[in-house]
Amino acid sequence: AQKVTQAQTEISVVEKEDVTLDCVYETRDTTYYLFWYKQPPSGELVFLIRRNSFDEQNEISGRYSWNFQKSTSSFNFTITASQVVDSAVYFCALSVKASYDKVIFGPGTSLSVIP
Amino acid sequence: DAGVIQSPRHEVTEMGQEVTLRCKPISGHDYLFWYRQTMMRGLELLIYFNNNVPIDDSGMPEDRFSAKMPNASFSTLKIQPSEPRDSAVYFCASSLLTAGPTGELFFGEGSRLTVL
Repeated sequence: AQKVTQAQTEISVVEKEDVTLDCVYETRDTTYYLFWYKQPPSGELVFLIRRNSFDEQNEISGRYSWNFQKSTSSFNFTITASQVVDSAVYFCALSVKASYDKVIFGPGTSLSVIP
Repeated sequence: DAGVIQSPRHEVTEMGQEVTLRCKPISGHDYLFWYRQTMMRGLELLIYFNNNVPIDDSGMPEDRFSAKMPNASFSTLKIQPSEPRDSAVYFCASSLLTAGPTGELFFGEGSRLTVL
């Protein structure tokens, strides 16, 4: 069975601080995909990134970066120099090759960036 | 381009009433998903369709829930009879997956259901 754990329920940081959101996943499949989605206060979930299990290269996109480590089954997300607009709920998600059309979401981490 | 469109955005109803939620996926997308979001259970996948055919409805909580996709541009999620524990935000999402497992889901704004 697949499972995604986001141990941090809520995080609060002051603007311009860096923050890392943790994600730990479980699967027996060797081929899988990991995702991060953002849910701002407006409610609509927005796709941020996808990684496949064979690509452990870290990725950076502006102030966002992702660290994928298969050895620890983690796919952590770091926001550098956080801004108020980053305040949202962030979801880590997983799909496996056998049923890649089925995306399982973690419980989410609520991030508040205080001005 | 229009995104995924859901209606109604908000619905307040009384226990026992029938509720119908509607979704128009992005044109050309071949997968449609219904998710439910609650504080207690997070985001749960209820059912999904591929080319209008239901593929997996194992997440549908009870027989009171049913979903249909009569054509590529429309889907409904029906709850009959509704109960207070059905109160949640229901999301519809669509995706183009036949070309490969991109996994990028495009979500609607959700339908917030309150059952009194």
